[in-house]
Amino acid sequence: GQQLNQSPQSMFIQEGEDVSMNCTSSSIFNTWLWYKQDPGEGPVLLIALYKAGELTSNGRLTAQFGITRKDSFLNISASIPSDVGIYFCAGQYSGGGADGLTFGKGTHLIIQP
Amino acid sequence: NAGVTQTPKFRVLKTGQSMTLLCAQDMNHEYMYWYRQDPGMGLRLIHYSVGEGTTAKGEVPDGYNVSRLKKQNFLLGLESAAPSQTSVYFCASSYLGPNIQYFGAGTRLSVL
Repeated sequence: GQQLNQSPQSMFIQEGEDVSMNCTSSSIFNTWLWYKQDPGEGPVLLIALYKAGELTSNGRLTAQFGITRKDSFLNISASIPSDVGIYFCAGQYSGGGADGLTFGKGTHLIIQP
Repeated sequence: NAGVTQTPKFRVLKTGQSMTLLCAQDMNHEYMYWYRQDPGMGLRLIHYSVGEGTTAKGEVPDGYNVSRLKKQNFLLGLESAAPSQTSVYFCASSYLGPNIQYFGAGTRLSVL
């Protein structure tokens, strides 16, 4: 299957700090998605990216589709306690079939008040 | 507006027992998926379906079977549960194609 590396694995930050995480792929992707999973819940879509270079915001969240189409990053500004959770990137690679959405292993965000 | 509903939410099985997990979606989506989530492993695709009456294997299909008799339902079966199948199982659906998937709240399964 496709390889998708997500980093960092975990982050311990202070409330109010900015957060940055990224995903890189060994293959070209034509769609990048960012999900958040709250404890005990299923992943919820945050942002979807469809074009290389695309920069999209959703409130305090900003995500970009890398120019090379092999990477994407997610930034969270001025973190608050409810940002705690696991953030997953997911990519659909060119030529992929119905099972062509690959997930990263997640970034655990922990916020210290 | 329920979205994707999974039942049960929790289950404990003994090794060798069987069970069926039910996923129901009310969004008229064609594609449905079953994933398992284990610590440090992310989400791994077990089986998926691109429409009523169709199923296909994903990355980790061994020990599981699925059925999609109705468009809105996708069932995941464990015929003879093993401790290695202790995990959190998520169902997801998408309208067309594998891009934006909507997830259920998960089923937490322990096999003793």
